[in-house]
Amino acid sequence: DTGVSQDPRHKITKRGQNVTFRCDPISEHNRLYWYRQTLGQGPEFLTYFQNEAQLEKSRLLSDRFSAERPKGSFSTLEIQRTEQGDSAMYLCASSPRPSSILNYGYTFGSGTRLTVV
Amino acid sequence: DAKTTQPNSMESNEEEPVHLPCNHSTISGTDYIHWYRQLPSQGPEYVIHGLTSNVNNRMASLAIAEDRKSSTLILHRATLRDAAVYYCILSLSKTSYDKVIFGPGTSLSVIP
Repeated sequence: DTGVSQDPRHKITKRGQNVTFRCDPISEHNRLYWYRQTLGQGPEFLTYFQNEAQLEKSRLLSDRFSAERPKGSFSTLEIQRTEQGDSAMYLCASSPRPSSILNYGYTFGSGTRLTVV
Repeated sequence: DAKTTQPNSMESNEEEPVHLPCNHSTISGTDYIHWYRQLPSQGPEYVIHGLTSNVNNRMASLAIAEDRKSSTLILHRATLRDAAVYYCILSLSKTSYDKVIFGPGTSLSVIP
């Protein structure tokens, strides 16, 4: 296992289009997180899953955003009707069950950079 | 959520030690102190964590004040590859590590 994979690395889309990103976590990690990062800021929490259950969503996650993790493995983040303000780096992270987290912390992917023109 | 305060930026000469400070005056008794760093064009990576005692690992050392209201990440010999944004974060209890809240962090520049 080579870590957390995100696809695509870069996405340019026109305003109003829908986009979908994929995240493949480390296989034995049951927790998966999505973050958004804009230039010069730290990552902002969006949502997280434990297995296939979405346990928390930030108020930053408007109705245009939806995330799924259908079989408790990979996850997708979809943005509908993209706006220029959605331009950001979208980061995915995974972690093992809580009793093991402190030994390893989160493992982040390299992110998907979205540009809305 | 308890907040942390870090300097926006710091500079270090290559091969010299670097002390990155973090204030967390509202820390609770069950909060762990974590450090992550983010290299350019990459996601953040875990560096170190601690609760009360000082900690060492292959990447860095973490010095925690006795009152736990501040901590310092120590890089013993800065290299050019250590140039990154360093985030000091507080998490909930050991079994409630639900999400990590990042602040703006400290941007470390390493001068050759």
